[in-house]
Amino acid sequence: GAVVSQHPSWVICKSGTSVKIECRSLDFQATTMFWYRQFPKQSLMLMATSNEGSKATYEQGVEKDKFLINHASLTLSTLTVTSAHPEDSSFYICSARKTGNLEKLFFGSGTQLSVL
Amino acid sequence: GENVEQHPSTLSVQEGDSAVIKCTYSDSASNYFPWYKQELGKRPQLIIDIRSNVGEKKDQRIAVTLNKTAKHFSLHITETQPEDSAVYFCAASRGQAGTALIFGKGTTLSVSS
Repeated sequence: GAVVSQHPSWVICKSGTSVKIECRSLDFQATTMFWYRQFPKQSLMLMATSNEGSKATYEQGVEKDKFLINHASLTLSTLTVTSAHPEDSSFYICSARKTGNLEKLFFGSGTQLSVL
Repeated sequence: GENVEQHPSTLSVQEGDSAVIKCTYSDSASNYFPWYKQELGKRPQLIIDIRSNVGEKKDQRIAVTLNKTAKHFSLHITETQPEDSAVYFCAASRGQAGTALIFGKGTTLSVSS
C-alpha cells in the first residue's frame, strides 16, 4: 500500500499563534512531498514542493516565512503556519510520491485549521 | 503559468446514466493526467490516470481519454450509481511526470436513484 498520515486532523488556535502540521509516509519513502490548500468547495491549490534535505520550493504568492516547511527525513514533512490569522483558516492537505515513482501522488487525510 | 480548466462545475444524472467531465490544460510539456475522487471531508483518492503516450484507458465503469494535440482529456463514468456522488478533480503534471500536479476546480457529481 501507500499510506500517508497527516496530523492533526483538525486544530483550532488563537490568532497570532503558530500551528505545526505533520505529514508522514507510513510504508514508503517519499523524496518529494507537496502541500496543498483547499478552501470550501474549491480546488486544491499548490502551496509548495517539499524536498527531503533541501529547501522547499514555494508557489508564487505563498509566503515562505509564514508557511515554514521542513522535510528532514524521507518519511516526514512538516508545515508550520506561523502567526496564524483568521484568513489562514483552511483545509491543508499534504501528498507524497514514492521515491522512484514519478507519477502517482498519495494524499494525507488533511488538516482543518480554524484560527479564531 | 500552467492552468487546468474543468467543466462542468456541477453535474446531476440519474442512476444508470453516463457522466462525462472534461478538462483542458495549458502546459504542452504535461505528460501525466490523473483523476481524483473526493468525498466530503475526506482525502482525494486516485481513481484513474493516463500518460501522454496513451489515448484511452479503461477500468471497469471508468474511462479516460486524452487528446494531446488539443490538450484536453475527459473522464467517462458509465452506469452511474449513487455512491459515485462526489467531487471529481482532474489534474495535469507541471511539465513531465515527477513534478507537482496542477488541479482543475472540480466537478460535483450527484447521482440520484
